[in-house]
Amino acid sequence: AQSVTQLDSQVPVFEEAPVELRCNYSSSVSVYLFWYVQYPNQGLQLLLKYLSGSTLVKGINGFEAEFNKSQTSFHLRKPSVHISDTAEYFCAVLHTGGFKTIFGAGTRLFVKA
Amino acid sequence: NAGVTQTPKFRVLKTGQSMTLLCAQDMNHEYMYWYRQDPGMGLRLIHYSVGEGTTAKGEVPDGYNVSRLKKQNFLLGLESAAPSQTSVYFCASSYEREKLFFGSGTQLSVL
Repeated sequence: AQSVTQLDSQVPVFEEAPVELRCNYSSSVSVYLFWYVQYPNQGLQLLLKYLSGSTLVKGINGFEAEFNKSQTSFHLRKPSVHISDTAEYFCAVLHTGGFKTIFGAGTRLFVKA
Repeated sequence: NAGVTQTPKFRVLKTGQSMTLLCAQDMNHEYMYWYRQDPGMGLRLIHYSVGEGTTAKGEVPDGYNVSRLKKQNFLLGLESAAPSQTSVYFCASSYEREKLFFGSGTQLSVL
């Protein structure tokens, strides 16, 4: 079975500062990895995904994530955040041969002026 | 293009009542899912479907039933609601398993 641990429940950061949201996963089989974003009172939308190939993945809104197989991590980064990035971010994992996407508990990003 | 539509958006039930949540997608997606979202627990998969007429259990299926009689619809039923089922419910669909499209959610309170 797969599991996902998001190491920070809340991350406050000032506008234009860099941010990293941490995600570790556990799985005995090959997996795909994802980051989803949820803005207030909305459903989730895909930010980026790692399926194979380059371990550095770029997504929408200037976010990127790096897959590290040895550390079983998939941390999300942005070099300069905006107020509009305030949202909840979910890391997720999917077994390459499966159908069930498993989500972490989420990290609330607060961007302060 | 409506995407994934969930009805109702809000509902209040009394313990023991039953209800059905409807999810409809207009993207001709094969795969559909029901998740529940609770504070500090992220999203947990209740049931899912890999095609019309098929359903399967997810992480937390107890107390829920589902049906997928038509490809575009995925129904989630609560036969006898309990306070522990107070949650926000999200439906999602996908064509490729690697990208989920979510509805805007149903906020359910069970008193």
